[in-house]
Amino acid sequence: SQQGEEDPQALSIQEGENATMNCSYKTSINNLQWYRQNSGRGLVHLILIRSNEREKHSGRLRVTLDTSKKSSSLLITASRAADTASYFCATPGNTPLVFGKGTRLSVIA
Amino acid sequence: KAGVTQTPRYLIKTRGQQVTLSCSPISGHRSVSWYQQTPGQGLQFLFEYFSETQRNKGNFPGRFSGRQFSNSRSEMNVSTLELGDSALYLCASSLQGQDGAPLHFGNGTRLTVT
Repeated sequence: SQQGEEDPQALSIQEGENATMNCSYKTSINNLQWYRQNSGRGLVHLILIRSNEREKHSGRLRVTLDTSKKSSSLLITASRAADTASYFCATPGNTPLVFGKGTRLSVIA
Repeated sequence: KAGVTQTPRYLIKTRGQQVTLSCSPISGHRSVSWYQQTPGQGLQFLFEYFSETQRNKGNFPGRFSGRQFSNSRSEMNVSTLELGDSALYLCASSLQGQDGAPLHFGNGTRLTVT
């Protein structure tokens, strides 16, 4: 069963713009992770934010976590064509990780 | 360190056949998980193996099975293939699994059933 749900399902922006993706989840978590998947490839771990953290940065990525609203957001600043991919949030569950259905980001040069 | 390796990269099979997919985890990782990815259902958990034991299983029919060897390499098998089994099968490894740690994924095996 899906724990996280990303929004929007698809997003198209121009190179240089910022991209924001949101994730809502259902149950209490001890961390939330974001992954990227290029077309037809495996998922790559981007960032992990723990339940006691509100914000975390990694390069051009900024992740926020609001445990009271059970939601997280991933911001990619100054996007590049190479950022075109699907982005998934994932939370620990009864299985190693439970993934949402992802946001498909297209960055147009 | 070498990443997670999945073989083969592509497979085309006929309905009713069976298939075996292979996964070599990152050296030192003892947990191997398998996921099925389809456009409609997204990433669905199949099973997880840790130290040669199946530790967790998703909601898939018994046609889907797997195993893990003493060197942590894992295989999954799908018998009596159906058209709906066409998917990208992803393997992921981690040190211990089930602790919320990041997963390291291979590039998957693309299975097409005709």
